[in-house]
Amino acid sequence: AQTVTQSQPEMSVQEAETVTLSCTYDTSENNYYLFWYKQPPSRQMILVIRQEAYKQQNATENRFSVNFQKAAKSFSLKISDSQLGDTAMYFCAFMGLSGGSNYKLTFGKGTLLTVNP
Amino acid sequence: KAGVTQTPRYLIKTRGQQVTLSCSPISGHRSVSWYQQTPGQGLQFLFEYFSETQRNKGNFPGRFSGRQFSNSRSEMNVSTLELGDSALYLCASRWDQSPNQPQHFGDGTRLSIL
Repeated sequence: AQTVTQSQPEMSVQEAETVTLSCTYDTSENNYYLFWYKQPPSRQMILVIRQEAYKQQNATENRFSVNFQKAAKSFSLKISDSQLGDTAMYFCAFMGLSGGSNYKLTFGKGTLLTVNP
Repeated sequence: KAGVTQTPRYLIKTRGQQVTLSCSPISGHRSVSWYQQTPGQGLQFLFEYFSETQRNKGNFPGRFSGRQFSNSRSEMNVSTLELGDSALYLCASRWDQSPNQPQHFGDGTRLSIL
């Protein structure tokens, strides 16, 4: 079964600075998909960025970018020019077959990011 | 375009009762998944429905069940409620079951068991 590990339960950053959230995963699959979701206090889960494992180029969405290291099974999220609205719980998620015939989304435990003014 | 709608937003039940939660997906989305979120266990996958059929299931007891209607709306039912069922239940929809299709989440139903 796939596992997703986020080793940083909490992080804080000053407004306008850059922060990197770590995520590692364990899988024997070659084709899979990785996502970062954000859950603010309003609790709605919002997709931040996604990466297909077969793509070597790291995904980028405005201030958000990832560092995808397939061999190391690492998928970190970098937030540039942090804003107060980035304060949220961030979840790393893995979409794979999990030994079955249908894809399933597995989440990490999350990292609570606080952006300080 | 309206997002994923979950009702009710909050629910309080007592042990032994049963509960039904509802989820209306984004228009055109045919896949609906359910997740349980607790502080201790995090987000755990319950099941996924596509075209009115359960296509995938997580490791939850049979007390947790669901169904999907022809309009893609989905319901989740939990019978014989236990204190440990207290959680935020999230529903997510996507266009189909393609793995590159991101899931769009609702605001969740907060279920409290007394």
